Amino acid sequence: EAGVVQSPRYKIIEKKQPVAFWCNPISGHNTLYWYLQNLGQGPELLIRYENEEAVDDSQLPKDRFSAERLKGVDSTLKIQPAELGDSAVYLCASSPGGGDYEQYFGPGTRLTVT
Amino acid sequence: DAKTTQPPSMDCAEGRAANLPCNHSTISGNEYVYWYRQIHSQGPQYIIHGLKNNETNEMASLIITEDRKSSTLILPHATLRDTAVYYCIVINQGGKLIFGQGTELSVKP
Repeated sequence: EAGVVQSPRYKIIEKKQPVAFWCNPISGHNTLYWYLQNLGQGPELLIRYENEEAVDDSQLPKDRFSAERLKGVDSTLKIQPAELGDSAVYLCASSPGGGDYEQYFGPGTRLTVT
Repeated sequence: DAKTTQPPSMDCAEGRAANLPCNHSTISGNEYVYWYRQIHSQGPQYIIHGLKNNETNEMASLIITEDRKSSTLILPHATLRDTAVYYCIVINQGGKLIFGQGTELSVKP
């Protein structure tokens, strides 16, 4: 069974440029999460989707961050424009939903903003 | 969700049992204890979870005290590949995972 797929694995951009991350969850998983992980810290939830609906985006900085999961399968997280402080690892996770909260994480995208 | 307290780091000899403690003194009756680990440069990996009873799976055992204010994750025969940051998280059904700093476990030969 394929795990959660994320791309790219690494991205280096200059500040003020846009960047996008893509995630394909495990087949059949209705719930999808995006997390931000700073160096030496635990992951922090940015947004959670149930199918195509964003049910918790309270921690998403909406002035520069956006996310979509149009068909309830794969998802894209975008930052525009990127700032130096956005340098971090962006993790995607999925879970079956329906009361099952065991989450499966992808390898993450390491973003460096210069 | 209840807050958890874990030691920042621990060492364990290869082949020995690794016992990782977690305090969650403010846990409420409907909150579960979840354990995840994160190996360097990888995403977190689910290990085990429990409510009241002790739990065991192919990866680890989870011992929860009778008053549920603390728990211990046991890796019965630690290997070098178990070197990782281990997160203890308390969550109620419908809640979200809130990762703390975790315990950095170093398994040494």
